[in-house]
Amino acid sequence: GESVGLHLPTLSVQEGDNSIINCAYSNSASDYFIWYKQESGKGPQFIIDIRSNMDKRQGQRVTVLLNKTVKHLSLQIAATQPGDSAVYFCAESLEFSSGSARQLTFGSGTQLTVLP
Amino acid sequence: ETGVTQTPRHLVMGMTNKKSLKCEQHLGHNAMYWYKQSAKKPLELMFVYNFKEQTENNSVPSRFSPECPNSSHLFLHLHTLQPEDSALYLCASSQDGTGAGYTFGSGTRLTVV
Repeated sequence: GESVGLHLPTLSVQEGDNSIINCAYSNSASDYFIWYKQESGKGPQFIIDIRSNMDKRQGQRVTVLLNKTVKHLSLQIAATQPGDSAVYFCAESLEFSSGSARQLTFGSGTQLTVLP
Repeated sequence: ETGVTQTPRHLVMGMTNKKSLKCEQHLGHNAMYWYKQSAKKPLELMFVYNFKEQTENNSVPSRFSPECPNSSHLFLHLHTLQPEDSALYLCASSQDGTGAGYTFGSGTRLTVV
């Protein structure tokens, strides 16, 4: 079946550096993509999303890039801080065939560790 | 708080027990979901409710039984579970059909002994 996957399971960066977390997806019908951050003991927290009619979207210290040609998604975190240490998931989304609600397919996650 | 509240936060149950997980959202969303998160595995969708109607069941064993009495509340009834069912169970909600505002609760950490 089609799935979303992440290139690297772990990523360590120095505090203050920029972080780039990558994600590959395989379902060309997906039209909405979301990045989540999950800290230990908590549920996934929304970071930023992007629709398939865009190739870049910026938030506060975060940028998501979408390359539909190669089915690639990335999350860039500027000036990474210790509080950014967490597992980051990308998810691709499309409507269920029944037309109701939304299905999210998640990758397995990347553990980001910020070094002092 | 994200606006999606799950209780209890932690649950330990024996294989012959019956228990229920509760999820409540105050976001005005019409769709609610149950996900299972096991160690080192991607989040797995279990059930979807849209306007209180179950619209998706991802081949989940019958020992898991969902209930959605209204658009704000979602339950997961557990009966005769196995140790491999131990996981973090996450509830989420969203505006129906659009994906906007897809929000997760903090989850219930379930241990089956």
